[in-house]
Amino acid sequence: GQQVMQIPQYQHVQEGEDFTTYCNSSTTLSNIQWYKQRPGGHPVFLIQLVKSGEVKKQKRLTFQFGEAKKNSSLHITATQTTDVGTYFCAATDSWGKLQFGAGTQVVVTP
Amino acid sequence: KAGVTQTPRYLIKTRGQQVTLSCSPISGHRSVSWYQQTPGQGLQFLFEYFSETQRNKGNFPGRFSGRQFSNSRSEMNVSTLELGDSALYLCASSLHYAGAGNTEAFFGQGTRLTVV
Repeated sequence: GQQVMQIPQYQHVQEGEDFTTYCNSSTTLSNIQWYKQRPGGHPVFLIQLVKSGEVKKQKRLTFQFGEAKKNSSLHITATQTTDVGTYFCAATDSWGKLQFGAGTQVVVTP
Repeated sequence: KAGVTQTPRYLIKTRGQQVTLSCSPISGHRSVSWYQQTPGQGLQFLFEYFSETQRNKGNFPGRFSGRQFSNSRSEMNVSTLELGDSALYLCASSLHYAGAGNTEAFFGQGTRLTVV
């Protein structure tokens, strides 16, 4: 099966700044999903991308699926303290398992 | 509608014991997946059940097993507990099985297992 690699592992952001987290795969993905897990909570589905080059926005969050469908990014503008948490990307591997990346833990400094 | 329910929320067991965790998926969802979450290893796939059949299994020893009932509720069992089994065990339900397309996973709150 494939693995999805996420970078960075940790991200310290000043409130109001922008940041981007990346998800990369060595194989072509059929789709990619993004989840957010708040401290002490459980992962919550954010979005699914399916098409090559797809871009979707949710308020201050912008999700992108690469043209080759091997990478994806999540960009957050004007970070707020409510953005604290770990962001995971997930993709179905060739065996049909939904595999998660290691996550990017985001800490926001007021 | 009600979300994914996992019971119990917290559990403390002794090495060598066995434990059973329960997951009730969202009504109408037929796929239930289990994940182990630890600080160092992230979310590790354990197994997925769909319509009472195990569709996939992760790289965990045979001490980890599961099953799904006709009402889609699922249980996972860990026998001969080891200290390293201490983790948050998350259950996720989906309308379809992973790989079928629209596989948005809804997670439960998890069961925090501590092995002492």
